[in-house]
Formats: sequence, structure tokens, C-alpha cells
Amino acid sequence: GQQLNQSPQSMFIQEGEDVSMNCTSSSIFNTWLWYKQDPGEGPVLLIALYKAGELTSNGRLTAQFGITRKDSFLNISASIPSDVGIYFCAGERGSTLGRLYFGRGTQLTVWP
Amino acid sequence: DSGVTQTPKHLITATGQRVTLRCSPRSGDLSVYWYQQSLDQGLQFLIHYYNGEERAKGNILERFSAQQFPDLHSELNLSSLELGDSALYFCASGSGGTNEKLFFGSGTQLSVL
Repeated sequence: GQQLNQSPQSMFIQEGEDVSMNCTSSSIFNTWLWYKQDPGEGPVLLIALYKAGELTSNGRLTAQFGITRKDSFLNISASIPSDVGIYFCAGERGSTLGRLYFGRGTQLTVWP
Repeated sequence: DSGVTQTPKHLITATGQRVTLRCSPRSGDLSVYWYQQSLDQGLQFLIHYYNGEERAKGNILERFSAQQFPDLHSELNLSSLELGDSALYFCASGSGGTNEKLFFGSGTQLSVL
């Protein structure tokens, strides 16, 4: 299947710091999405990107759809303790809407 | 709360058994997707139904099957269970169409002993 390489695997940061994570693929995707998963819950959509080069913000979160359509990054500014969780990137090729290929996740820990 | 309901939340069973996982999509959503999350494979797409019809299959084993009923709820049937089938199974629903956004349920944690 399509492999999304997500990095870093984990991050330990202090409250107030900015965070950056990214996702790369050898394949082109038509849509890039970023999800957050809390323990015992399903992934929750944070940001959806539909166009190469698109830069979208959702509060303290900013994500970009890479120009090559093979990568995306997510930035979190001024992190807070509730940002703790696992962040997943996901790509959609467009041939089957909703068929997402997920990265392996970035585990974020925020120290107060 | 995503509006997607999955039952049961936990399921413990033995190898060789058969189980059924149930999903009720958000009100108005016609699409139901099933995903499997395991430590070694991560989140993987299994199957997609839209308005009662199968639309796409992913990495779904032949021992697994699913259906979507007229009231749009869906069931995922897992049979001849093996230890390696232990995983979190998520259902997600969407409205269908361009730029469809998926809303995930809380999952069913399956433990095969």
C-alpha cells in the first residue's frame, strides 16, 4: 500500500513551545489531512488540505500541502497541556473518497 | 462526540470464534468506512460502503466481511479469529461526495486470546 513517512515518532516539549511535524510520501496525494487521537478515542480531523501549496490554519494549528503533493507539515504554536496526543497525517488519492492512507503518528507530550 | 456510535467498546474472545462489530453513522451520512488500527500495521483502511453498496475494499482479509443495512448502520463480521486480529476497529462516516470529511467513532477494542 501507499506508505506515509511521518516524523518525528515522538516529541517531548515544554508548554509554550512551538511544534512541527511532517509527512512525506513517494506517491502523490490529492488531499492531505491531519488528525489527532486521544486515548480511547477515534481520530479527530484537525485540518484538511485540498490544493498543492495550500496553507491552512485552525487556531494555533497551521498545516501546508506540499507543492510536489508528496508531503505536508503541521505546526502547533504555543503548545498547551491539552495538545497531548497522537497526531496522524493522512493522504487521499481521490480514486476512492475517504480511503485514507495514514502515517504512523507523532506522539506529543507537553510538560507544564 | 463525533456522532458515530460503535458497539461494543470492548470485545474479548477466543481464537476460532466469530464476532460482529456494529456502527451507526452520523445522522445524514451515507458513507461508512471501516479501519483497523494495530501496533504493527497502524491505521489501515478495510472497506467502504455507500448507501448500502460496497464501494471499495482495502486490506480486508477474506475471513472478514461487512454490510450496510437500509437504515445505514453497518456491521463488520470477523470470523475464524486469530491472535493477530487483536486490534482497534474504527468505523467512520461521511456525507459522500467531493472533499468528504470523515468522522470516526470511538472504536471497538478486540482482544483475541
